[in-house]
Amino acid sequence: GENVEQHPSTLSVQEGDSAVIKCTYSDSASNYFPWYKQELGKGPQLIIDIRSNVGEKKDQRIAVTLNKTAKHFSLHITETQPEDSAVYFCAASKNNNDMRFGAGTRLTVKP
Amino acid sequence: DAGVIQSPRHEVTEMGQEVTLRCKPISGHNSLFWYRQTMMRGLELLIYFNNNVPIDDSGMPEDRFSAKMPNASFSTLKIQPSEPRDSAVYFCASSFQVGNTEAFFGQGTRLTVV
Repeated sequence: GENVEQHPSTLSVQEGDSAVIKCTYSDSASNYFPWYKQELGKGPQLIIDIRSNVGEKKDQRIAVTLNKTAKHFSLHITETQPEDSAVYFCAASKNNNDMRFGAGTRLTVKP
Repeated sequence: DAGVIQSPRHEVTEMGQEVTLRCKPISGHNSLFWYRQTMMRGLELLIYFNNNVPIDDSGMPEDRFSAKMPNASFSTLKIQPSEPRDSAVYFCASSFQVGNTEAFFGQGTRLTVV
């Protein structure tokens, strides 16, 4: 089955700096790669996603890149703010909706 | 829509007791997922259903765990008998099956087995 690895497990940045989280996946058939943000006491919420026919996608301060050949994808957050502090999860999924998550990255943005 | 609704939000039970977690997916969604979240293992997919049919239950830890989806608007995850190592947050999520789209998560059920 699919195996998703995520790094780093914790990340601390100064407000205004950029944050990058990286993930690799094992199943070349995976074609959908969402990123979720989880705040304390809540369920994960989608912040951005990318499909395998696209190499990069951007939404305001958030961008995701995908390298299908290397089977890795990354989340980039620019101009970080304290409210960006949360746990971020990457995931990979195939057409059968079998979505597997990475272990998560705890991001702390220091004011 | 109120989103994915899970109940109860918190459950404390004694070892050996039966525990039933409930989930109401978003209306119109035809895929439903049960995840377990722990510090040690992160978010683990336990089982998922497409059109009320279980597709993959390979993530279910052992025979003590069972899940059902009797109709499109309701699913249960049952643990019998419960053990302390089952303590975790259990999430239910739903999505549209076709097109591999976003999964919407409920608020989760925090289970503590003492």
